[in-house]
Amino acid sequence: DAGVTQSPTHLIKTRGQQVTLRCSPKSGHDTVSWYQQALGQGPQFIFQYYEEEERQRGNFPDRFSGHQSPNYSSELNVNALLLGDSALYLCASSPIERGHEQYFGPGTRLTVT
Amino acid sequence: ELKVEQNPLFLSMQEGKNYTIYCNYSTTSDRLYWYRQDPGKSLESLFVLLSNGAVKQEGRLMASLDTKARLSTLHITAAVHDLSATYFCAVDMAGFGNEKLTFGTGTRLTIIP
Repeated sequence: DAGVTQSPTHLIKTRGQQVTLRCSPKSGHDTVSWYQQALGQGPQFIFQYYEEEERQRGNFPDRFSGHQSPNYSSELNVNALLLGDSALYLCASSPIERGHEQYFGPGTRLTVT
Repeated sequence: ELKVEQNPLFLSMQEGKNYTIYCNYSTTSDRLYWYRQDPGKSLESLFVLLSNGAVKQEGRLMASLDTKARLSTLHITAAVHDLSATYFCAVDMAGFGNEKLTFGTGTRLTIIP
């Protein structure tokens, strides 16, 4: 049973560009959350998707947007990249039912130059 | 707004010694997680604490939760080099398990031979 997978592993972009990160949830999970982890800090919640809708959102600007497909996979899009967007982006999945833990993927390391 | 604070931020200890990492949070919650993160890697789930007085142990690590004091501890017994990593606590304020997690700042633990 594959766990949470993310692609790509590493990515280098230039300021002002746009980027799309992808996440496939663990089998049986229908809820996907995205977190940003800057170097030396704890992960910060970006948003969560369920039934192809944004269910919750953290304190991130509109440059950060997402999408969830009918097969539950998800994308994180970041527009107009800033140097401060350089971070490890973690995807986590869980069932929507209460009482289940979130499982984290391996992450995508984004570097903005 | 929920705040989660860990201390110490950095901890250097000798093999064989005992120490405790503290996690304080500002809002009532009945669900708290501890994670381990190795450099450049994703989060590895260590413990899920679900109620006041919960205590869990795995090898040389033991975690406890006091919801009345809004405090969780991660105790390390007879430390070994393999435990060197960054440890995060995370609080699920909603308490449902599949909601937004708020992470602490992390404790970088270095075990010296």
